[in-house]
Amino acid sequence: GPKVLQIPSHQIIDMGQMVTLNCDPVSNHLYFYWYKQILGQQMEFLVNFYNGKVMEKSKLFKDQFSVERPDGSYFTLKIQPTALEDSAVYFCASSLQGSGTEVFFGKGTRLTVV
Amino acid sequence: AQSVTQPDARVTVSEGASLQLRCKYSYSGTPYLFWYVQYPRQGLQLLLKYYSGDPVVQGVNGFEAEFSKSNSSFHLRKASVHWSDSAVYFCVLSGPSNTNKVVFGTGTRLQVLP
Repeated sequence: GPKVLQIPSHQIIDMGQMVTLNCDPVSNHLYFYWYKQILGQQMEFLVNFYNGKVMEKSKLFKDQFSVERPDGSYFTLKIQPTALEDSAVYFCASSLQGSGTEVFFGKGTRLTVV
Repeated sequence: AQSVTQPDARVTVSEGASLQLRCKYSYSGTPYLFWYVQYPRQGLQLLLKYYSGDPVVQGVNGFEAEFSKSNSSFHLRKASVHWSDSAVYFCVLSGPSNTNKVVFGTGTRLQVLP
């Protein structure tokens, strides 16, 4: 079935450095999302993105976070600068439509900030 | 406001026993409801979804769920669990909106004892 690919699967980075998480969504999908999961617990919504713009973001989406999808390539989450509390698994997702449709998830990128 | 409550953080059952994982939602309109499963170190996989019609929906691997508008519930059931069903199960709500903010429950960790 359709797959969302996330690169890399695991990244370790020094606190204060910049990190970019890459997501290759399902090819014909139009809506993109990032979620944050700490220690296998709750999935926390970060942001969703459509037509080149952030549609909605949560309070977890700090000023240090940004998303973009330049020229229809990877959908990226950039954190600059990183903080210790950013350590988590970040899941990318995509869907064809904006509501009520199945959302496809990647396997996540485990980010460890040291 | 949309919200999803999964009152049981952990459920333990013996292999072959029946299962019910509870989900309550809060939403003023017509909800789109999903159950996703997350296996260790994996992304999320869709088990089943409800949009409208028959309140009992069938999913993969013998799972089913029943929508109840009067009780604002969408409980997941399985007649006979297998040890491989051990995972975290998320109840998810998506309401018709321009932004498709998908709301997750806190998840229920299911452990099936052999």
